[in-house]
Formats: sequence, structure tokens, C-alpha cells
Amino acid sequence: EAEVAQSPRYKITEKSQAVAFWCDPISGHATLYWYRQILGQGPELLVQFQDESVVDDSQLPKDRFSAERLKGVDSTLKIQPAELGDSAMYLCASPRAENTGELFFGEGSRLTVL
Amino acid sequence: KNEVEQSPQNLTAQEGEFITINCSYSVGISALHWLQQHPGGGIVSLFMLSSGKKKHGRLIATINIQEKHSSLHITASHPRDSAVYICAVESGGGADGLTFGKGTHLIIQP
Repeated sequence: EAEVAQSPRYKITEKSQAVAFWCDPISGHATLYWYRQILGQGPELLVQFQDESVVDDSQLPKDRFSAERLKGVDSTLKIQPAELGDSAMYLCASPRAENTGELFFGEGSRLTVL
Repeated sequence: KNEVEQSPQNLTAQEGEFITINCSYSVGISALHWLQQHPGGGIVSLFMLSSGKKKHGRLIATINIQEKHSSLHITASHPRDSAVYICAVESGGGADGLTFGKGTHLIIQP
């Protein structure tokens, strides 16, 4: 089955450091989502891309978070500086097909900020 | 914004028991999803439904549109079913308007 690749799987960092997560969605899929999932909660949308363009980043804390998808393929989510409250699972997903809510998720990147 | 509530939040049961997880939402939807998240973190889609009932192996999902309620049932539960089960609703526009519940943490003991 098609896969969404993410790295790293785990990241431990100290507060005020910079961290970056990478996602390679399903080949040819224009739409890409980054979600944040705090322990015990459901995923919350951070940013949505359509090709290289940001469609929705209303929930992205733009003072410290940034996301890009320069060539409309893989994407990077960056946090600088990291804060204790950023500890969470960061999930990347792309739709099974256009105009469907059924998503393929990556394995996620678990961030721990000390 | 749609409010999605799941119950119970945590559930521990013995192998072989019949499991029911509930999901309710506040606003009309175009579709509802049940997802499974194993301890490693990855999420997989189990069902997408907009009416009636769907069955896949030992899993059954039902939805009542009028009552804004869905249930996920597991028959003959097994320890490998231990996971977090997440309900998510679409309010139109595919995954753009997806709202997730907090999940139900299920543990099946041998």
C-alpha cells in the first residue's frame, strides 16, 4: 500500500533549540497535511498544502513554527525555538484521493522537549 | 466548529469480550471516519461511512445521522486490538474540514 514517509521517528531536544521534521507524501498527491497530536488528544491541523502553496495555516503558531513545500513534493516543518509545550507527535498525511477525508498517515515524529 | 466526543476515554477488557466505542458530534456531517492508532504512533483508516453500517472482519461501524452518533464494535476482541481508536468527522470539503475526537484507549488483556 502507498506510504507517507516521515523522519525522524523520535527527536529529543532542549528548549530553545531548533528542530525540523520531514515528510514525503504519497507520490503525485497534491494535498499534504501536518497535524500535531498532544498526548491524550486527537490530531489538530497545523498546516495544509496544495502543491507548494499553503492553503490553511490558521492554527500554526507562526512566531516559532514554519512549514514549506518548495517543489510541491516533500515538506519540512520547523520549530525554532522549541518550547516545553511543543512536546507532541507530529503527523503528516495525504488524502487517499482528492475530495475525500480518508487519509494516509505517516508513522509520525515524536518530539520531546526537555 | 464541530464538537466530537468519544466515550469511554479508556477501556480495559478481557480477550474475547465484545467492545463498543461511541462517538457523538454536534453538527451535521458529510462522513465519519474511524481510525486506529497503535503505540508506535502511526494512524490507519478503518472505516469511512456516511450512513448505515459497515463491517470488516471483526470490526463493525454504525452511524445514526439523525442522532449524530456512531459506534465502533469489536467482536471476539484480541490483545492485538489494543490501540487508540479515533473518531473523525468531515463537514464537507474532504479532509480539509476534518475534526478529530480525543480517542479511546483500548487495552485487551489475555
